[in-house]
Amino acid sequence: DAGVTQSPTHLIKTRGQQVTLRCSPKSGHDTVSWYQQALGQGPQFIFQYYEEEERQRGNFPDRFSGHQFPNYSSELNVNALLLGDSALYLCASIGLAGDTGELFFGEGSRLTVL
Amino acid sequence: GENVEQHPSTLSVQEGDSAVIKCTYSDSASNYFPWYKQELGKGPQLIIDIRSNVGEKKDQRIAVTLNKTAKHFSLHITETQPEDSAVYFCAASKSTSGTYKYIFGTGTRLKVLA
Repeated sequence: DAGVTQSPTHLIKTRGQQVTLRCSPKSGHDTVSWYQQALGQGPQFIFQYYEEEERQRGNFPDRFSGHQFPNYSSELNVNALLLGDSALYLCASIGLAGDTGELFFGEGSRLTVL
Repeated sequence: GENVEQHPSTLSVQEGDSAVIKCTYSDSASNYFPWYKQELGKGPQLIIDIRSNVGEKKDQRIAVTLNKTAKHFSLHITETQPEDSAVYFCAASKSTSGTYKYIFGTGTRLKVLA
């Protein structure tokens, strides 16, 4: 049973560029969330996708956008990169357990903006 | 706003001793409280969780307690081993209209000294 998979694992960009990160959820999961984790911090919620629509959004600017495909995989796009966007970007999929959702993370994509 | 406070930020224990990490949440609607272990360069891994209708849960050397009245929950690791060294995150979650919102603590870096 494959877990949450993300690509690429590492990438380097320069300020002003755009980046696309990809995620495949755990088998059987249809809800995907994206988080930003700065060094030494906890994960910060960016947004959540279900049925190909953004359902919730955290406190991130419009430069951060996403997409979910019919096969439940997802992309995170960040435009006009800033130095402060350097972080580990985590994708997580949610498995339903009663009225709660269990969150499973991928290994992350480490973005460095120079 | 909603937040989760986590203490301590760092914790060093001798191998074989116990470790306790504490979290306090602000949103009384939270009903699911997972704990994650994050090793260097990896994504957070779910290690144990507790739901709001339960006061305590154990899994081998790991236990979690929840005090809903005080809005506190804690992670207890007994007989610590060097491989327990990692960063641990608590989170509080609630379900709203089919979406799941997670708020993470800032993490505790646990060092188990051999």
